Amino acid sequence: NAGVTQTPKFQVLKTGQSMTLQCAQDMNHNSMYWYRQDPGMGLRLIYYSASEGTTDKGEVPNGYNVSRLNKREFSLRLESAAPSQTSVYFCASRGDRGWIYNSPLHFGNGTRLTVT
Amino acid sequence: QKEVEQDPGPLSVPEGAIVSLNCTYSNSAFQYFMWYRQYSRKGPELLMYTYSSGNKEDGRFTAQVDKSSKYISLFIRDSQPSDSATYLCAMTSPYTGANSKLTFGKGITLSVRP
Repeated sequence: NAGVTQTPKFQVLKTGQSMTLQCAQDMNHNSMYWYRQDPGMGLRLIYYSASEGTTDKGEVPNGYNVSRLNKREFSLRLESAAPSQTSVYFCASRGDRGWIYNSPLHFGNGTRLTVT
Repeated sequence: QKEVEQDPGPLSVPEGAIVSLNCTYSNSAFQYFMWYRQYSRKGPELLMYTYSSGNKEDGRFTAQVDKSSKYISLFIRDSQPSDSATYLCAMTSPYTGANSKLTFGKGITLSVRP
């Protein structure tokens, strides 16, 4: 039972480089999310997708783009990486039964990104 | 003022201690409250949730909510080394569907010494 799988686990980029973070879930969830986690800042929502074909901005969307490729996959793209985007990125998914508080977010184990 | 404030820690306690973790919030629309636990190098996982003022128990864990004071707590009794993790409070207002979004606290790292 894989749950939410993120690739890669680690990545080092130079300023200005681009990359795509991949996320896939096998729980047949409609909703998927991208968060970043920084020391002293907590988890902040970058983008989310309520269903296949829809995406919406979260709290900190600048510098990022997303694609909901199908129901399973939700990717996050950095077009021109900046040192401020050094962070740990988490993908999450949830089913739509019940309220968000008792239909929990299922998180992947994160991608640790360093931009030099 | 941030919507959710959480004591920054870190916190180190001896095994068997009672641990109190706290968050305050400013948004009166928040009605549902959760605690997530995050082990090192892992993603967060839901530990407990509650939506009413008062206490909710689950084994050694008790979640407490005081809506009048906008204050929530997580108590851990008889703490174990396996409880060593980062604990994040999270809260949301009562909307359904994927547009419901959680607001997280910054998290506090707990270390339980054998």
